[in-house]
Amino acid sequence: NAGVTQTPKFQVLKTGQSMTLQCAQDMNHEYMSWYRQDPGMGLRLIHYSVGAGITDQGEVPNGYNVSRSTTEDFPLRLLSAAPSQTSVYFCASSYGGSTEAFFGQGTRLTVV
Amino acid sequence: GQQVMQIPQYQHVQEGEDFTTYCNSSTTLSNIQWYKQRPGGHPVFLIQLVKSGEVKKQKRLTFQFGEAKKNSSLHITATQTTDVGTYFCAGRGTHSGAGSYQLTFGKGTKLSVIP
Repeated sequence: NAGVTQTPKFQVLKTGQSMTLQCAQDMNHEYMSWYRQDPGMGLRLIHYSVGAGITDQGEVPNGYNVSRSTTEDFPLRLLSAAPSQTSVYFCASSYGGSTEAFFGQGTRLTVV
Repeated sequence: GQQVMQIPQYQHVQEGEDFTTYCNSSTTLSNIQWYKQRPGGHPVFLIQLVKSGEVKKQKRLTFQFGEAKKNSSLHITATQTTDVGTYFCAGRGTHSGAGSYQLTFGKGTKLSVIP
């Protein structure tokens, strides 16, 4: 099994550009989430989904949109990139509310 | 909202010394998980603690969950260079519904091991 796959691994954007970070899992997990990781800040939850068609905001949702049309995919959209969104983004999935989270390899995003 | 504090932020040890990182939650947790992130890598699950006062061991790693289910610790005995990385705790709250899926991460403890 591939687990959680994120693309791209690296991306450079200009301020104001939009893009979508892709996340796919092949473990039939119902719960998926997006985190951003900044130095000294740990992992902060952006958005999460408890199943297809259901999404909700996390701690730092501003500037990001998500959708969950299938169980497998949970893309993260940056509507108008800002330098403050320079970060490493991780997608994670888990089977349920009390099980381990599996993380993707991460996307390192730089906004100039 | 729920907050999880983790200390210390950094720890430098000589190889063979012990290491401990501590987590404290502002609210009672239903469970707590520990993850390890190697430099340049992604977080990898280590263990989950669920019961009050629970202690679990994985070789040189000992994990504890406090009696009040608000604090936890990870202790590594006789560190090795392979232990290098950042260790995160992550807690789940006790509320029901979709929010119960959320993990709140501590900021992590970055461990350096000097050979």
